[in-house]
Amino acid sequence: DAGVIQSPRHEVTEMGQEVTLRCKPISGHNSLFWYRQTMMRGLELLIYFNNNVPIDDSGMPEDRFSAKMPNASFSTLKIQPSEPRDSAVYFCASSSLGAGGHNEQFFGPGTRLTVL
Amino acid sequence: AQKITQTQPGMFVQEKEAVTLDCTYDTSDPSYGLFWYKQPSSGEMIFLIYQGSYDQQNATEGRYSLNFQKARKSANLVISASQLGDSAMYFCAMRDNTGNQFYFGTGTSLTVIP
Repeated sequence: DAGVIQSPRHEVTEMGQEVTLRCKPISGHNSLFWYRQTMMRGLELLIYFNNNVPIDDSGMPEDRFSAKMPNASFSTLKIQPSEPRDSAVYFCASSSLGAGGHNEQFFGPGTRLTVL
Repeated sequence: AQKITQTQPGMFVQEKEAVTLDCTYDTSDPSYGLFWYKQPSSGEMIFLIYQGSYDQQNATEGRYSLNFQKARKSANLVISASQLGDSAMYFCAMRDNTGNQFYFGTGTSLTVIP
């Protein structure tokens, strides 16, 4: 199994530009999570989807952030316009929500975003 | 309110010694899951161990064990025979009874000293 795949691994952009982060969850997993990690704020949950439907987006910092999951194998997190304070590592994670099992989250390698 | 509390920002342990990383949690749900993740300097988040709220025995995975004290709402991670490669950030997390929501602690930075 390939695990959770994120692209790009590194992104450097200028303030005001649009940034799109991509995630492919583990095949068969029905829950997907987007996190942001910074030194100051630690690991923050931004949004999560269950069966492609956004369940809780209360962690999305502001309207500049949006996330979509058009199908079970793909999700995007978009920042438009980007600002320097958005610089962070963005993780995507997936899990299999259902009876039995641990439902642990499997994390992707992360996208390190730098906004200049 | 904090769902997961990790009170040790940093810990040091001598190689080959055991170390305990503390984690307390807050929930009124009867059903929940507790997890520990490791984040080495390379940045990836690695799942280590799981404990279910109804599990009677403490979870073990190789050199990792979870000291689960339900009445005290604690889920401490014990690493036996520490190795240099254990140096990393360690995060405690809890899954709520819906299975959807995860809560992560602020992490503990472990340094193994040769």
